[in-house]
Amino acid sequence: GAGVSQSPRYKVAKRGQDVALRCDPISGHVSLFWYQQALGQGPEFLTYFQNEAQLDKSGLPSDRFFAERPEGSVSTLKIQRTQQEDSAVYLCASSLSLEQYFGPGTRLTVT
Amino acid sequence: DQQVKQNSPSLSVQEGRISILNCDYTNSMFDYFLWYKKYPAEGPTFLISISSIKDKNEDGRFTVFLNKSAKHLSLHIVPSQPGDSAVYFCAASGRGSGGSNYKLTFGKGTLLTVNP
Repeated sequence: GAGVSQSPRYKVAKRGQDVALRCDPISGHVSLFWYQQALGQGPEFLTYFQNEAQLDKSGLPSDRFFAERPEGSVSTLKIQRTQQEDSAVYLCASSLSLEQYFGPGTRLTVT
Repeated sequence: DQQVKQNSPSLSVQEGRISILNCDYTNSMFDYFLWYKKYPAEGPTFLISISSIKDKNEDGRFTVFLNKSAKHLSLHIVPSQPGDSAVYFCAASGRGSGGSNYKLTFGKGTLLTVNP
């Protein structure tokens, strides 16, 4: 079956622009996670949804970051007024149990 | 402070030999551990996991060992193949308040190169 998909795969934004990153999880997966991966680092947790409820947003680095999953399937991560330090790969993962399955990521470059 | 540490940034082995990747953790609340493999420009791919109630889990060429007292786990790949060349991430999870699916804490990864 289809895995986790993310779009766009690559995004270049000028500093100060708003961006929206989309995640389509595996069908039926209740849990959805967003991670941020900086160059040379492991992924770092941003936020977690169980169905449409955002149960943990402790990893969001600032109030410029906002995530939603209104119908409990597709999720969008929005970054307002992007800064250079936001440049990273943004990974989405979904799960039914303890193993999380990742999408290919969106590489965001802020110039 | 890094709660999951992979102290070897890279490892090089010959095809057919054993690859051993190591991982240490500091948080005693972690009770589930996973290994992921990542190729360039792709997302991490789940390989194998182990619960803290076990000390070994095997799946084909991959075996994960857990030493809880030392807060140490390792991934063994036998025999190693050139296609195994990738970055390997160790990850750990502690049960959330809901008792189920929860965030992963990752190490920085180890780049494995298997030479033909």
